Amino acid sequence: KQEVTQIPAALSVPEGENLVLNCSFTDSAIYNLQWFRQDPGKGLTSLLLIQSSQREQTSGRLNASLDKSSGRSTLYIAASQPGDSATYLCAVTSGTYKYIFGTGTRLKVLA
Amino acid sequence: DTEVTQTPKHLVMGMTNKKSLKCEQHMGHRAMYWYKQKAKKPPELMFVYSYEKLSINESVPSRFSPECPNSSLLNLHLHALQPEDSALYLCASSQPSLTSGRLVKDPDTQYFGPGTRLTVL
Repeated sequence: KQEVTQIPAALSVPEGENLVLNCSFTDSAIYNLQWFRQDPGKGLTSLLLIQSSQREQTSGRLNASLDKSSGRSTLYIAASQPGDSATYLCAVTSGTYKYIFGTGTRLKVLA
Repeated sequence: DTEVTQTPKHLVMGMTNKKSLKCEQHMGHRAMYWYKQKAKKPPELMFVYSYEKLSINESVPSRFSPECPNSSLLNLHLHALQPEDSALYLCASSQPSLTSGRLVKDPDTQYFGPGTRLTVL
């Protein structure tokens, strides 16, 4: 059974800092991995999707990498801003529409 | 337009009521999802419709009944719910990358609606 863990559970950083969020999964037979952000009480916003054949994806200040063999993905946020404060979730699927979400990292960027 | 809409935004219902949640997307996506999210927890998959057919039911109690009337609409019918069913219900859609014969924009990327906050008294 696929299990997805995110470390740390919570993170507080000063504005401008570069930071890394981690996502680990137990079954490396994934089809893709997706990173989301969620603001309190809101829906999820897709940030990046990495197909299993890809190593990384970039969008603006965000860069996500994928190492299937070790069951890990990282989300790198450059030059963090207070507006980046949210909960960040990763989700994996084996390709059958069944997405398993990680436990989430609550990020707070201090002005 | 990359929007998924959900109505209502908030719903309070008694345990004997019957209500429905509605989800709509006009992105031409052929996969639609219902998730349940409790406070400070990740979303949990409930149902998936693929090409208007139910493809995944994650052993959800029968008091939750999904319906996909057409490729743009997804409903979740609620009946005889329990207080522990109180949660944020999220709808999502995606376009399968394995759609043959044509290029797909943002394949497999899930787009979520804002959710319905359900309270069962």
